[in-house]
Amino acid sequence: QVTLKESGPVLVKPTETLTLTCTVSGFSLSNVRMGVSWMRQSPGKPLEWLAHIFSNDEKSYSPSLRTRLTISKDTSKSQVVLTMTNVDPVDTATYFCARVQRYNTWPTSYWYFDLWGRGTLVAVSS
Amino acid sequence: DIQLTQSPSFLSASVGDRVIITCRASQAIGSYVAWYQQKPGKAPSLLIYAASTLQSGVPSRFSGSGSGTEFTLTISSLQPEDFATYFCQQLISNPPWTFGQGTKVEVK
Repeated sequence: QVTLKESGPVLVKPTETLTLTCTVSGFSLSNVRMGVSWMRQSPGKPLEWLAHIFSNDEKSYSPSLRTRLTISKDTSKSQVVLTMTNVDPVDTATYFCARVQRYNTWPTSYWYFDLWGRGTLVAVSS
Repeated sequence: DIQLTQSPSFLSASVGDRVIITCRASQAIGSYVAWYQQKPGKAPSLLIYAASTLQSGVPSRFSGSGSGTEFTLTISSLQPEDFATYFCQQLISNPPWTFGQGTKVEVK
């Protein structure tokens, strides 16, 4: 069974660094057709894509948050970690990780987010 | 960045209605669109990818179409479990991959 589970602090103080972990099971982070993305959703707001890590360790970030985010993975532990520096109350949100699969069909390929974790709620407050 | 605009933002409908949600992209994105359903307090779930490919296990009343800059998600006959929020997402080439602002389907 394929699952993803987010974990991290419930409450973080402004200016601190937030560290979130996505623990996956049922697939390998070294699978070339797969990667993991992080998203967040503030109450009543749309989803915001944050960062992605590919199987070859290539990384990509939201342009608006690039300077504050770092994504990494530990394949042996089946974990993907997202750190966000200098948090602010506006960073209060539910944070999700998702498996991203690549569907190959000549002459192109398509990505899609086929499985998501349940999310973890993070509040930023002093 | 590629922007996605969904319409309408809110939709009131009854069981059995045909529902159509539109997603417009700020530039051409081929067929690199996915659609998700999200219920309150839950994670999104994938409905459609590659604009029109139904994800395994998703009921056939859901369908997607479009290419370039305009895409639609159609629910042919709305069921009670379909009242939810729907998001489109563009996944052209490599990230960043953006989401639309969502369409909430409510009971009429």
